Amino acid sequence: GAVVSQHPSWVICKSGTSVKIECRSLDFQATTMFWYRQFPKQSLMLMATSNEGSKATYEQGVEKDKFLINHASLTLSTLTVTSAHPEDSSFYICSARDPRSPNTEAFFGQGTRLTVV
Amino acid sequence: EDKVVQSPLSLVVHEGDTVTLNCSYEVTNFRSLLWYKQEKKAPTFLFMLTSSGIEKKSGRLSSILDKKELFSILNITATQTGDSAVYLCAVHSGSARQLTFGSGTQLTVLP
Repeated sequence: GAVVSQHPSWVICKSGTSVKIECRSLDFQATTMFWYRQFPKQSLMLMATSNEGSKATYEQGVEKDKFLINHASLTLSTLTVTSAHPEDSSFYICSARDPRSPNTEAFFGQGTRLTVV
Repeated sequence: EDKVVQSPLSLVVHEGDTVTLNCSYEVTNFRSLLWYKQEKKAPTFLFMLTSSGIEKKSGRLSSILDKKELFSILNITATQTGDSAVYLCAVHSGSARQLTFGSGTQLTVLP
């Protein structure tokens, strides 16, 4: 079945630094990928929709200059948390749906646990 | 704005009990409803429902959708400690390509 791979699975960084998270679709081409954030004991909140070859679409309240999304190829989207602060510590998950089967489940990456110290 | 509401928010049962998790929704141009199980990492897919009244079953888990009343239930029979997880309900609507998630139900199964 379709697989989405996310890397790294966890990262600890110092406040003020930037962190890049990668999301790859391994056996299908994803023109669209989705980035979610999940705080402890809360559900997944959509941050942005990553569109291959064009600008990402951000949800209300998500700072586009802080959470940079690049979708340069059909199999890779990256989320960069710039100038990270402790309040950015969270679980970040990407997902994609196989366009060959658009009305099927979304496949999720393994998630990245970010801790900013 | 699409909404997905799950209940209860948390549930504690003993092994062998049967549980029913609820998910109601208000969305524009409903396409499908999905159930996921989330343990410590990313959600894993359980079911996708598109038609009313057709039960989907996988082992001890089953789910059904009511498109008239706009809700779905997830049943787990003969629960085991390994069923302890957060169960997420999500809806895919035609007006959006992404999924809208409910808050999840935290299920704890005690030995």
